Amino acid sequence: TQLLEQSPQFLSIQEGENLTVYCNSSSVFSSLQWYRQEPGEGPVLLVTVVTGGEVKKLKRLTFQFGDARKDSSLHITAAQPGDTGLYLCKGGSEKLVFGKGTKLTVNP
Amino acid sequence: DSGVTQTPKHLITATGQRVTLRCSPRSGDLSVYWYQQSLDQGLQFLIQYYNGEERAKGNILERFSAQQFPDLHSELNLSSLELGDSALYFCASSVGGQGVGYTFGSGTRLTVV
Repeated sequence: TQLLEQSPQFLSIQEGENLTVYCNSSSVFSSLQWYRQEPGEGPVLLVTVVTGGEVKKLKRLTFQFGDARKDSSLHITAAQPGDTGLYLCKGGSEKLVFGKGTKLTVNP
Repeated sequence: DSGVTQTPKHLITATGQRVTLRCSPRSGDLSVYWYQQSLDQGLQFLIQYYNGEERAKGNILERFSAQQFPDLHSELNLSSLELGDSALYFCASSVGGQGVGYTFGSGTRLTVV
């Protein structure tokens, strides 16, 4: 099983701060996806990264896929309370595995 | 509205009972995935169907079964329910295989009492 480890598990910050969360594996992935989940709702796809070293930006969110395609990071600039949620990564593989997520709380 | 419809939204049932959860995928999507989410285990993959056929199996218990019908909707059957089966059950769909992004439904919250 290709395990995906996400860190930190919990993160509580003030509005306006920057943050980075990580998704790591010992296995190589053909692609990697990031999702955000709000309480009581299903995860929503944010981005898919495919190429090693790829950087994708979605407004204040910056996603990076590691050169070796084993890890990824999500950086949020000037966090807002609306960014609060559970951030999940998933590897594009036959194991269909999600990481356990980083629970982010942005306090006003 | 994501386009993936799950019913019912909430379900409360007793131990030993059997329930059926239903999922209608987004229009045009051929793959359906079922996941179980509990507080301590995160999102656990149960099973995937592609165009009516089972494609992949995860940590699905023998008491659980699923199928995908010709109209592509899917049902997850949970039997001999135990307290530990209480969880959120999500259905997701995608156009093709497993490397693409999924569209999730809003889930069914199952409570076994």
